[in-house]
Amino acid sequence: ETGVTQTPRHLVMGMTNKKSLKCEQHLGHNAMYWYKQSAKKPLELMFVYNFKEQTENNSVPSRFSPECPNSSHLFLHLHTLQPEDSALYLCASSQVGGGYGYTFGSGTRLTVV
Amino acid sequence: QKEVEQNSGPLSVPEGAIASLNCTYSDRGSQSFFWYRQYSGKSPELIMFIYSNGDKEDGRFTAQLNKASQYVSLLIRDSQPSDSATYLCAVSLGAGTALIFGKGTTLSVSS
Repeated sequence: ETGVTQTPRHLVMGMTNKKSLKCEQHLGHNAMYWYKQSAKKPLELMFVYNFKEQTENNSVPSRFSPECPNSSHLFLHLHTLQPEDSALYLCASSQVGGGYGYTFGSGTRLTVV
Repeated sequence: QKEVEQNSGPLSVPEGAIASLNCTYSDRGSQSFFWYRQYSGKSPELIMFIYSNGDKEDGRFTAQLNKASQYVSLLIRDSQPSDSATYLCAVSLGAGTALIFGKGTTLSVSS
């Protein structure tokens, strides 16, 4: 595996379900990010982890819970989501500071029914 | 509120023409500037980054930065139908800060 891999690629869940999104980077980076991409909106930063420590939480509702066990893995735990949470969730990684830009994973297309 | 503004388009150009994509940003402290390309249904991929005022060229792509005007642009020369995509402008305030993205400009290159 190379680059940034995300699983699953597609996810349909009910509002009462609990699910998790997984991200793994194989680039030796030490910062990881979760972004949300909705139609007609800019990419919205959700969480930032530098050296597996959360350094930014962009006022994200508590129904989204991130976990970063090490610098290569990032999870987004989901529970009691709302239909408006349906979006493309993108994971990215970089060196701390992101001076050379981010590498994105393929994303998880989430639909909440 | 830090903002990055882009014209959503679509910007339509004929094959072989120069496509000019523009971006403005609100925070004068911004230090790093990035252009990403995103094909429909795919994730963004980095095309170029620029830090200093002036032009930076990479193949058919040229990034231009004017910090005084808080303006960054991307020129695509000899546009090809395969360049048809959404182009995202992103800005960083510096080391340790996350990228802030614009909504993107959709480019359509007709053959």
